[in-house]
Amino acid sequence: GAGVSQTPSNKVTEKGKYVELRCDPISGHTALYWYRQSLGQGPEFLIYFQGTGAADDSGLPNDRFFAVRPEGSVSTLKIQRTERGDSAVYLCASSLMFGDTQYFGPGTRLTVL
Amino acid sequence: KQEVTQIPAALSVPEGENLVLNCSFTDSAIYNLQWFRQDPGKGLTSLLLIQSSQREQTSGRLNASLDKSSGRSTLYIAASQPGDSATYLCAVRPMETSGSRLTFGEGTQLTVNP
Repeated sequence: GAGVSQTPSNKVTEKGKYVELRCDPISGHTALYWYRQSLGQGPEFLIYFQGTGAADDSGLPNDRFFAVRPEGSVSTLKIQRTERGDSAVYLCASSLMFGDTQYFGPGTRLTVL
Repeated sequence: KQEVTQIPAALSVPEGENLVLNCSFTDSAIYNLQWFRQDPGKGLTSLLLIQSSQREQTSGRLNASLDKSSGRSTLYIAASQPGDSATYLCAVRPMETSGSRLTFGEGTQLTVNP
């Protein structure tokens, strides 16, 4: 079946704007994860969903970042009042169950001008 | 706080060589360790996952070992090919029951020259 998909693949926005990044996990995967990867760095954890609820959001850097997964499948990462420091690749991953191998999407490259 | 370090940061080898990538982590209380491959501008592809109770995993020309007590893992690539050129990342998952996050190293950028 299809892998994890993310849209858009690239997003350029201006400082102060609001953006939404979408993740479609592998069908049937109950766990969904968001990570952020800056240039030359490994991905950093942001938030984890088990079903519809955020089981661990301790990686969100501040209250400008928020994520939802209302029906337990698609997830949206929302960033308010974007800052230049938010520029990074945002990666989404899903796993069949908690603790299983995480499968990653191609990422959304966010550039804040 | 868990910290993951990968050495070397970059490696260039001629085609056909066997090579070893190293990963070390500071907190040995891990649930599992995973090796990923990342191609430029792409997401991560899982290569091998080693549970904390396991010592190694093999897939084709890849072999990953885990020494949890010393906080080390190695990824061995046999008979390297130009198509193996990519960044290799290791990541650990914590032991605590609510732990879900993966902590990644910064990666080893591998170039295999024809």
